[in-house]
Amino acid sequence: EPEVTQTPSHQVTQMGQEVILRCVPISNHLYFYWYRQILGQKVEFLVSFYNNEISEKSEIFDDQFSVERPDGSNFTLKIRSTKLEDSAMYFCASRGTFLNNEQFFGPGTRLTVL
Amino acid sequence: GQNIDQPTEMTATEGAIVQINCTYQTSGFNGLFWYQQHAGEAPTFLSYNVLDGLEEKGRFSSFLSRSKGYSYLLLKELQMKDSASYLCAVINAGNNRKLIWGLGTSLGVNP
Repeated sequence: EPEVTQTPSHQVTQMGQEVILRCVPISNHLYFYWYRQILGQKVEFLVSFYNNEISEKSEIFDDQFSVERPDGSNFTLKIRSTKLEDSAMYFCASRGTFLNNEQFFGPGTRLTVL
Repeated sequence: GQNIDQPTEMTATEGAIVQINCTYQTSGFNGLFWYQQHAGEAPTFLSYNVLDGLEEKGRFSSFLSRSKGYSYLLLKELQMKDSASYLCAVINAGNNRKLIWGLGTSLGVNP
């Protein structure tokens, strides 16, 4: 069964460093998302991506964040200068077509900023 | 504003039935999901409701009333492995179909 994969599973970084979180969505899916979940808090929408551009972003997704689909398979989230409050689980999700609402989630990357 | 409310915690006994409620007020509605999440893991899909009524899927059922902004997840024949958080998420209006999440209900199943 096709699945969304994410790497790394756990990333530890120093405050101010850049991190890139990687996702490989399901191959024929068209819509891609990043969500995050700070420990003990609700899952929060960060950004959605369709047709090689951002279709919507939340207030959390400021200038420090960017997303890219550098080739036909990878979907990356970059945080340019990490802050302590960026420590969270980051989930990538993909969705097939416009009419299909189900989002398939990757296993997540746990980001720890020290 | 957009708000999704669920009870924070529930406990139940193995073999029993439990109902987890979710109420929502969102700027638009394209459907409602229930996800299960074990600690440190990604949410996994349980059910999807877009029309009013009950959807049954094995031991799990989900109900939706759009006019009341209300849904519930019903778990039957509880097993120890059902101990997890259960997340209610609403698909927002618009083409992006982003998910708006509740905080989740932590369910503990006791022997």
